[in-house]
Amino acid sequence: AQSVAQPEDQVNVAEGNPLTVKCTYSVSGNPYLFWYVQYPNRGLQFLLKYITGDNLVKGSYGFEAEFNKSQTSFHLKKPSALVSDSALYFCAVRDMRGSQGNLIFGKGTKLSVKP
Amino acid sequence: KAGVTQTPRYLIKTRGQQVTLSCSPISGHRSVSWYQQTPGQGLQFLFEYFSETQRNKGNFPGRFSGRQFSNSRSEMNVSTLELGDSALYLCASSLAGSLSGANVLTFGAGSRLTVL
Repeated sequence: AQSVAQPEDQVNVAEGNPLTVKCTYSVSGNPYLFWYVQYPNRGLQFLLKYITGDNLVKGSYGFEAEFNKSQTSFHLKKPSALVSDSALYFCAVRDMRGSQGNLIFGKGTKLSVKP
Repeated sequence: KAGVTQTPRYLIKTRGQQVTLSCSPISGHRSVSWYQQTPGQGLQFLFEYFSETQRNKGNFPGRFSGRQFSNSRSEMNVSTLELGDSALYLCASSLAGSLSGANVLTFGAGSRLTVL
């Protein structure tokens, strides 16, 4: 069965420092991977996705993610964190086995960026 | 263009009542998916509708149901409410839904349901 894990409930970083939010996945076929962000009292906003090709994917707001097939990981990164990046981040995977697949989300990681 | 609109944004119900939530997708989007978000369970898939047909359904009891209209607007209904149904219900629209692996979901702000 397809699944995605975010091993850290919370990540704390200082403003200006690099940040990493971890995600590992499990699918039987080729993965379609996504990152979404949720600000308080808001819905989820799409950040970036990996479908195929270059393992380093660039997305919105300066975020990027690295796809690693051997480690089945898709970690979200940003070179320099901002206080405004503080939010809840969700990794998601879609397994297209059977020609259709729903988006399955991880539990989420709360990112806290301190000034 | 207008985003995904969910109504109502907040509502309070008591156990045993029923509730109907509404979702208006982005113009041109034919797929609407519903998710339940709780602190304990995270985001759980409820169902997906595409062109008025339910395409997929998550692992929820029959008390949870939905439908989609010809203009792609969708409603979900929860009958005989339980305390555990308190959650943020998120609707997301997309062009192709689960038929396309690369498909991106656009979420609404959600309807926060509190069951007393």
